Amino acid sequence: SAVISQKPSRDICQRGTSLTIQCQVDSQVTMMFWYRQQPGQSLTLIATANQGSEATYESGFVIDKFPISRPNLTFSTLTVSNMSPEDSSIYLCSGGQLYGYTFGSGTRLTVV
Amino acid sequence: TQLLEQSPQFLSIQEGENLTVYCNSSSVFSSLQWYRQEPGEGPVLLVTVVTGGEVKKLKRLTFQFGDARKDSSLHITAAQPGDTGLYLCAGLKSGGSNYKLTFGKGTLLTVNP
Repeated sequence: SAVISQKPSRDICQRGTSLTIQCQVDSQVTMMFWYRQQPGQSLTLIATANQGSEATYESGFVIDKFPISRPNLTFSTLTVSNMSPEDSSIYLCSGGQLYGYTFGSGTRLTVV
Repeated sequence: TQLLEQSPQFLSIQEGENLTVYCNSSSVFSSLQWYRQEPGEGPVLLVTVVTGGEVKKLKRLTFQFGDARKDSSLHITAAQPGDTGLYLCAGLKSGGSNYKLTFGKGTLLTVNP
């Protein structure tokens, strides 16, 4: 299965600033996704990162707040824009094929 | 509305006990996946079940997919402290060339020595 490297692993950011999270996959994957998770709780899908086209966002998430890039089949970024304390969470990327996905280790974001 | 209802949400047991985690939905899924997550790490795939009625075993873990492909269960025999973690079920729905994985709320399992 694919291995995903995600960075940064954690960051503390000032409100009003932006943070870009990167995910690198060691092999080409069809699908890549971005999730948000509160510690000990389930994952909420933010968007599907589509290679070469605009990401597909879930209800409650918009491109202006969470712009996503996916320039090729092994790399994607998620930017959390104009951050507020409510954006404090763990952000995870995942990728893979139909019957199994691999996750990055997550980015623990604290907005102060 | 939670698409996948997972229960129990919390479970604390003694080493050696057996347990079952349930994942139920009113929707039909193409497949259902089970993940285990430890603190500070991303979820790790344990198994994918695809066919209605399918049973898969992974050492002391037994996974079953309901006949109607709407529900699944995870049974752990003789639990060990190393089984401690957050267990997540996730259902895969497909629409043309698009696929979406939806997660249940998770079961936080603690196995005490």
